[in-house]
Amino acid sequence: DVKVTQSSRYLVKRTGEKVFLECVQDMDHENMFWYRQDPGLGLRLIYFSYDVKMKEKGDIPEGYSVSREKKERFSLILESASTNQTSMYLCASSFSGPLMTDTQYFGPGTRLTVL
Amino acid sequence: SQQGEEDPQALSIQEGENATMNCSYKTSINNLQWYRQNSGRGLVHLILIRSNEREKHSGRLRVTLDTSKKSSSLLITASRAADTASYFCATPLQGGSEKLVFGKGTKLTVNP
Repeated sequence: DVKVTQSSRYLVKRTGEKVFLECVQDMDHENMFWYRQDPGLGLRLIYFSYDVKMKEKGDIPEGYSVSREKKERFSLILESASTNQTSMYLCASSFSGPLMTDTQYFGPGTRLTVL
Repeated sequence: SQQGEEDPQALSIQEGENATMNCSYKTSINNLQWYRQNSGRGLVHLILIRSNEREKHSGRLRVTLDTSKKSSSLLITASRAADTASYFCATPLQGGSEKLVFGKGTKLTVNP
C-alpha cells in the first residue's frame, strides 16, 4: 500500500513565523502536490513537483514556497505565516508513466492555525 | 474553470438506503475519479472510470459516466454509517497534465 505521511496532524503558529510542513511518500512517485482545503472553496493546488528540484506553481502559490531535494520528500514553507493561511494542508503523490492514471494518494492532512 | 461540480452539496439518508451523488465537468477528459474524505482526514481514492467506459462497479459502489453530457454519478448501495464522509469527483487538468481538478464535494451523512 502507498503511504504518504505528513509531519504534523495539528500545528499552531504565530503570525510572522516561518513554518515548515513536511510530506514523505514511500512509493517512489515522481509527482508530489501540496493543496490547501477551506470550507466552501474545495481543494486548491498550491505547488506541484514532477521531479527532484523541479516545481511548478499551482493556483495559489502566493505566500508559499516548496523544496524537493529528495524524491520521497516534498516540503511546503510558509515564509512568514499570516492568519489567512489558517487551513487544512494536504499532501499527495502520484505515479508518472505511460500507463499513468493521475490517481493521487493523500496524506492525513495538517490542520494549521496561525494566531 | 474546469472544476467539477458535485450535486447535491449535502445528502442525509438512513442506513440501508442508497446514496447517489452527481458530478458535472466542463472539458473533454480521458478519465474521471471519485475520492472519499472522512472528517478531518486526507482523501482516499475510490474508483476511476475511463472515458471509453460507461459504468464501473467496485463492491457497493457503482459509477457511471456520460461523456456526451459531461457528467458522472456515484451510487453507494445499502449505505452504512461508516459511509458518512465527503465525496469528491476529480478530472485531469486539460492538456494531459498530471494535475487533477477536484470538485467541492458532496457531504454524505448516513444515519444509523
